[in-house]
Amino acid sequence: EVQLVESGGGLVKPGGSLRLSCAASGFTFSDVWMSWVRQPPGKGLQWIGRIKTKFVGGTPDYAAPVKGRFTISRDDSKNTLYLQMNSLKTEDTAVYYCATDFGESSFGSWGQGIRVTVSS
Amino acid sequence: QSALTQPASVSGSPGQSITISCTGTSSDVGSSNLVSWYQQHPGKAPKLMIYEGSKWPSGVSNRFSGSKSGNTASLTISGLQTEDEADYYCCSNAPSNTFVFGTGTKVTVL
Repeated sequence: EVQLVESGGGLVKPGGSLRLSCAASGFTFSDVWMSWVRQPPGKGLQWIGRIKTKFVGGTPDYAAPVKGRFTISRDDSKNTLYLQMNSLKTEDTAVYYCATDFGESSFGSWGQGIRVTVSS
Repeated sequence: QSALTQPASVSGSPGQSITISCTGTSSDVGSSNLVSWYQQHPGKAPKLMIYEGSKWPSGVSNRFSGSKSGNTASLTISGLQTEDEADYYCCSNAPSNTFVFGTGTKVTVL
């Protein structure tokens, strides 16, 4: 059974940094492209970015609002996905989900989500 | 990249069919056969319901069906059931290897 467990969330001041982790199990992590999606309180889903497998270069892509501030990485030896968030803004407050890519363009399995609050 | 436009709410009685629209542009929905749909119950993670426009992941009921015409994708729920009450989001790939979600639709079963 696919399992994704996010950790590392919490309260951080504007301008601060935080690193989220997503521990994966139940599938061959190194074979799967992975994404991060967030959901601000009471609002809709927002795609943040994704990282390809090492087999095709392991490169990430990002949504415009986070490009240059957030970095997605993966450690296939630890079956773990990361999201390094720098220069955090109040509008980054959200529940953050990691998800497996499914097919060509969708997100098949999701973690339970982790809350990040950016506030002074 | 602006969010895809969905109606804020759609409702129907048990057993009825409802359709949720998802309108984008020629740069996303209009040029993609890869629209996906997600169901989200309150406090829960989203669940993939339709991928690549009209395909079902394993375990998803065929009461859910997807289609597209021009810049608008649609999700139809047939034989509406109480457990279908949830928020629904569409998603399309977009320029520069990115993705864009819809604004979300709250489905109410009357």
